Amino acid sequence: EAGVAQSPRYKIIEKRQSVAFWCNPISGHATLYWYQQILGQGPKLLIQFQNNGVVDDSQLPKDRFSAERLKGVDSTLKIQPAKLEDSAVYLCASSRGWGSSSEQFFGPGTRLTVL
Amino acid sequence: AQTVTQSQPEMSVQEAETVTLSCTYDTSENNYYLFWYKQPPSRQMILVIRQEAYKQQNATENRFSVNFQKAAKSFSLKISDSQLGDTAMYFCAFMKPAGTASKLTFGTGTRLQVTL
Repeated sequence: EAGVAQSPRYKIIEKRQSVAFWCNPISGHATLYWYQQILGQGPKLLIQFQNNGVVDDSQLPKDRFSAERLKGVDSTLKIQPAKLEDSAVYLCASSRGWGSSSEQFFGPGTRLTVL
Repeated sequence: AQTVTQSQPEMSVQEAETVTLSCTYDTSENNYYLFWYKQPPSRQMILVIRQEAYKQQNATENRFSVNFQKAAKSFSLKISDSQLGDTAMYFCAFMKPAGTASKLTFGTGTRLQVTL
């Protein structure tokens, strides 16, 4: 079974530029998560999708971050415009269902550097 | 809001020895779940062990076991017979499922180095 795929693996941009990350979850997984992991911190949930609907986006900075999950499969996370403090690793995870009984499987992440 | 605290930024253990990683959390909830995740240098996070708060019995997965003290809000991870492959960042995490929301709240992590 293929794992969660993310691209690109690394991205360097100037502040005020735009950037997009892509995630392909494990086949059959209904729930998809985007986490932000700043250096020296644990991951922080940005948004959770159940199929193609948003379940929780309470910690997503909506003035600059947006995410979509068309057709309930792949997802993209966009930052527009980027700030220096957005430098982090962006992790995508997926699970078959939701809740504690449904293990979240993580992708390798995209390391974003904003200069 | 729930918080998770890992007070040991770095730890080191010799191969074949036992090490315990500490985690405390703060919540007013009675029903919740606790996890330990491992993040090797390649960055792919892997679930190590899970504990339901309503279960008094401590969870065990091969060489990994937890000491769950609900009253003290403590959730430590014990790794027995440490192996070089255990070298990684370890994150303690809390989940309070609410409907379909299953948000994990992570601690800041403990970097574990296993040495020869």
